[in-house]
Amino acid sequence: AQSVAQPEDQVNVAEGNPLTVKCTYSVSGNPYLFWYVQYPNRGLQFLLKYITGDNLVKGSYGFEAEFNKSQTSFHLKKPSALVSDSALYFCAVRDPNTNAGKSTFGDGTTLTVKP
Amino acid sequence: DAGITQSPRHKVTETGTPVTLRCHQTENHRYMYWYRQDPGHGLRLIHYSYGVKDTDKGEVSDGYSVSRSKTEDFLLTLESATSSQTSVYFCAISATNEKLFFGSGTQLSVL
Repeated sequence: AQSVAQPEDQVNVAEGNPLTVKCTYSVSGNPYLFWYVQYPNRGLQFLLKYITGDNLVKGSYGFEAEFNKSQTSFHLKKPSALVSDSALYFCAVRDPNTNAGKSTFGDGTTLTVKP
Repeated sequence: DAGITQSPRHKVTETGTPVTLRCHQTENHRYMYWYRQDPGHGLRLIHYSYGVKDTDKGEVSDGYSVSRSKTEDFLLTLESATSSQTSVYFCAISATNEKLFFGSGTQLSVL
């Protein structure tokens, strides 16, 4: 079975400061990992993915994530937060032997960036 | 939202009535999915489809059925709605076995 944990329900940062949203996972074999963002009253939007290769993955809007196999983590990061980054963030994991819809999502982390 | 239209956007219904939610895509993607989103539970897969008339159950399929008679349409039916099915329902599509594209959601309230 596969699972995802987002240990923080809420992350608060000041604008201009670096941000980190944490994600740990459990899956048999090598994982496919994803981050999605959800703005109010909208569907989820894809931010970035790790499939294979470089452990540091760059995505949309200046976000990046680092895959750490030994710690089974895939934390989302941004060097300088913007107020407009405030949203709900979801980490997802998938066993590559299943199709895309069989991803397991975390419960989400609400990011609030204050001016 | 990547050529995905969900209808209706909002629905209020009474316990015991049937409800059908529609997802329409213009991307010609093979895979389509229905998720529900509830506070504290993230997104949970209800049903998915990997082609016309090919569907399978997700982790929370009880009380729901689906149909896909055309590539572009994926219908989710609540045969007899219950209050526990009050939720936000999202349709998603995928062309490959990687990222998902989501619709804007349907807010369903069962009274």
